[in-house]
Amino acid sequence: DAGITQSPRHKVTETGTPVTLRCHQTENHRYMYWYRQDPGHGLRLIHYSYGVKDTDKGEVSDGYSVSRSKTEDFLLTLESATSSQTSVYFCAISPDRRASLHFGNGTRLTVT
Amino acid sequence: EDQVTQSPEALRLQEGESSSLNCSYTVSGLRGLFWYRQDPGKGPEFLFTLYSAGEEKEKERLKATLTKKESFLHITAPKPEDSATYLCAVQAVGEQGAQKLVFGQGTRLTINP
Repeated sequence: DAGITQSPRHKVTETGTPVTLRCHQTENHRYMYWYRQDPGHGLRLIHYSYGVKDTDKGEVSDGYSVSRSKTEDFLLTLESATSSQTSVYFCAISPDRRASLHFGNGTRLTVT
Repeated sequence: EDQVTQSPEALRLQEGESSSLNCSYTVSGLRGLFWYRQDPGKGPEFLFTLYSAGEEKEKERLKATLTKKESFLHITAPKPEDSATYLCAVQAVGEQGAQKLVFGQGTRLTINP
């Protein structure tokens, strides 16, 4: 999608390895979010950021960390990947508290 | 705890056959209810935001309505290109005004020609 890019789009990794997913935006939006989407659970918030170096936890943050050193980049790290973290990960952005979220096209992560 | 339940899980219609999707919610204080459309392999795409009971929004063949306990997405005379998964979400507020959307599991809609 224009304005928001997730990389990689697909990744297969082994249990116990670290993994970093990247979200890059060109919209200069303040807020950035990481969600995961699983069958039977829908989209669930992992972490979010409300400014450079300002982040907070969502409802499923265990096993994940994030960093935002620049407005345009929001990184999601799995310190030691587990099979339960196999999922599709979506990044979203918004300019303010009233605007709708704009989502990227996702990263499909498989942990074997 | 905020919760969103969507029904049915899947719906198959013939082209031109109108119907409605349901989104029931429980929240401590509704700040916004959102409808998104999601196509296979893509991220959710924003459709509507509703803020208060009685509010309605329309876009082409879609109309969203809101009561104090549920929202409906009405689809009038659908076409095959309306086939997608429709997601409902309610908004909680996080730090510094960040939106924390709580999503339902979605309704997978298929329109047969």
